[in-house]
Amino acid sequence: ETGVTQSPTHLIKTRGQQVTLRCSSQSGHNTVSWYQQALGQGPQFIFQYYREEENGRGNFPPRFSGLQFPNYSSELNVNALELDDSALYLCASSLERSNTEAFFGQGTRLTVV
Amino acid sequence: AQSVTQLGSHVSVSEGALVLLRCNYSSSVPPYLFWYVQYPNQGLQLLLKYTSAATLVKGINGFEAEFKKSETSFHLTKPSAHMSDAAEYFCAVKKGQTGANNLFFGTGTRLTVIP
Repeated sequence: ETGVTQSPTHLIKTRGQQVTLRCSSQSGHNTVSWYQQALGQGPQFIFQYYREEENGRGNFPPRFSGLQFPNYSSELNVNALELDDSALYLCASSLERSNTEAFFGQGTRLTVV
Repeated sequence: AQSVTQLGSHVSVSEGALVLLRCNYSSSVPPYLFWYVQYPNQGLQLLLKYTSAATLVKGINGFEAEFKKSETSFHLTKPSAHMSDAAEYFCAVKKGQTGANNLFFGTGTRLTVIP
C-alpha cells in the first residue's frame, strides 16, 4: 500500500507566474485536502475534494484552485503567484470525507522570487 | 469557531525527562483533537487522536494525551524523552464528525532534547 505522494518536492517560481502541484492519495482514499504551511507556522486549510467535487474551502482567494481526478489524485493550482505564497504545501488524504484520520504527504516546498 | 492554542513555541527537555507539550482548544461543539509530529523537511505524522471515546488517549512512540473538558485542554505527554523525539509538534482540532475534513492547527511547539 503506497502512502500519499506529492510532486515536485521543491519548486521555484517567479512572482506573477502560475504553478501546479500534484498529489496522489493513499490507495482507497477518496478525499484529498490541501494545506499551506508558511515558515514557522502551522498548516492552514486551503480546500478539500471529495469524489471530484470541492467539499469545503478555507480563507484563500480564488486564485487558489484545485482538481480531483477519477482516480482521486489531485492538483492544486495557484495563479498570479505572490511572494507570500512561498510555503510548504501539504496534501492529505482520508478514506472518507468524514473520516477523522488524515494521512499527509511530505509536501512541496514552493519558493516565489 | 474552532481553534487551538499551543503554549510555548519552544520546549527543551533533557533526555529521559518528562515531555509536556500544552494545547488548549476552543470549540462550540464537541471537538475531535489531534496531535501531529513533523520532522525536518517531512510531512505530518499522526501521533494520536481524541474522538469522544476515552479521555486518555495513547498514541505512537510512547506519547499520550488527556482530554480535559473542564480545562479545555489536550496536553501531550511522554514519560521519558528520547533524542529521536526532537521535532515540531502540532495540536489540531476538527469540528465534529461530519462536514469537510478540515483541521485547524496550532502554531506548533518545537521540542529539543538535550543529551
